[in-house]
Amino acid sequence: GENVEQHPSTLSVQEGDSAVIKCTYSDSASNYFPWYKQELGKRPQLIIDIRSNVGEKKDQRIAVTLNKTAKHFSLHITETQPEDSAVYFCAAGYGQNFVFGPGTRLSVLP
Amino acid sequence: DSGVTQTPKHLITATGQRVTLRCSPRSGDLSVYWYQQSLDQGLQFLIQYYNGEERAKGNILERFSAQQFPDLHSELNLSSLELGDSALYFCASSVLQGGIQYFGAGTRLSVL
Repeated sequence: GENVEQHPSTLSVQEGDSAVIKCTYSDSASNYFPWYKQELGKRPQLIIDIRSNVGEKKDQRIAVTLNKTAKHFSLHITETQPEDSAVYFCAAGYGQNFVFGPGTRLSVLP
Repeated sequence: DSGVTQTPKHLITATGQRVTLRCSPRSGDLSVYWYQQSLDQGLQFLIQYYNGEERAKGNILERFSAQQFPDLHSELNLSSLELGDSALYFCASSVLQGGIQYFGAGTRLSVL
């Protein structure tokens, strides 16, 4: 089955700097790669996703890149703000084979 | 609001007891997923149903079971509860298998 690794487990950045979170997956059949943000005590919410036929996708300050050959994908957050502080989960899969990474706790320091 | 409804929001019970968590998916979503999230931990996938049938199983204990009913709502049954079962239990739904998952607000279970 699919296995997803995520790094780093914690990340602290200064407000205004960029943050990058990386995930690797094992199953080359995976074709869907979403990213979820979970604020403390709240539900995970989808922030961006990418499918295997696309290499990069951007939505304002958030971008995701996918390297199918290397089987890794990354989340990029630019001009970070305190409200970006949360736990971020990547996921990978296809059909019912869907696995979440262990999460990255991002802290944006004012 | 994601459109996924979970009840109850909080549940406090004692060891050895049995509880049922309920999830109503978004209108039109056929797939329901259950996850367990212990304190400061990631999302542990438990089980998935699609249109009433079990489709995938994760690290779900034998003491736990679930089902999806004809109206597509789902219930997660936890029995012989232990202290370690205390966690946040999320339900998510999607239109298809492998699509965008929308999460409910979760049920916080405390086993004392």
